[in-house]
Amino acid sequence: DTAVSQTPKYLVTQMGNDKSIKCEQNLGHDTMYWYKQDSKKFLKIMFSYNNKELIINETVPNRFSPKSPDKAHLNLHINSLELGDSAVYFCASSLSGGPHTQYFGPGTRLTVL
Amino acid sequence: SQQGEEDPQALSIQEGENATMNCSYKTSINNLQWYRQNSGRGLVHLILIRSNEREKHSGRLRVTLDTSKKSSSLLITASRAADTASYFCATDANAGGGADGLTFGKGTHLIIQP
Repeated sequence: DTAVSQTPKYLVTQMGNDKSIKCEQNLGHDTMYWYKQDSKKFLKIMFSYNNKELIINETVPNRFSPKSPDKAHLNLHINSLELGDSAVYFCASSLSGGPHTQYFGPGTRLTVL
Repeated sequence: SQQGEEDPQALSIQEGENATMNCSYKTSINNLQWYRQNSGRGLVHLILIRSNEREKHSGRLRVTLDTSKKSSSLLITASRAADTASYFCATDANAGGGADGLTFGKGTHLIIQP
């Protein structure tokens, strides 16, 4: 039983396309996150979503938009993909209200050609 | 700007030896966490230490935190080949519990030679 799952695992697409990455958690957590890991393995928070409050890292282009149909899902939609968007995207979840561990999904490797 | 800096960037030791990795950060924190990432996989949480704690143990792991120096160390004792991975420290500045997400360092790539 996977705690945090992401689909697809790999995504190869052309510049200019629009794509979505899905994330689901079955841990009953109320906060979900998206992180981007670049080619140098540097991880950076993109978004966190908690009880309908969205916190956005100010460096994230507005081509990226998170969409949460319910507490168990936080999907990432990317418009007009660029070469620099190539990276591994990780979804994570946690409980709010204290110093809680974040549980990470397996990642989605996005390659923009 | 990046919060954490791990040191060293890469470490190669013989199986059975101890491995020590260090992490420095820049701003005040609520807690600091260490994660492991195996090649091509997601991150796995190892241990969390709160800002009012100085040392914590979990199995073969020992973490220290020095808030006056804004630094932490992760010690893995009696290393095994399966410990080969990248290790990241991550800081959480939010007292409410991570709503802003974690700030990660660049990671230490640990290789355990059999």
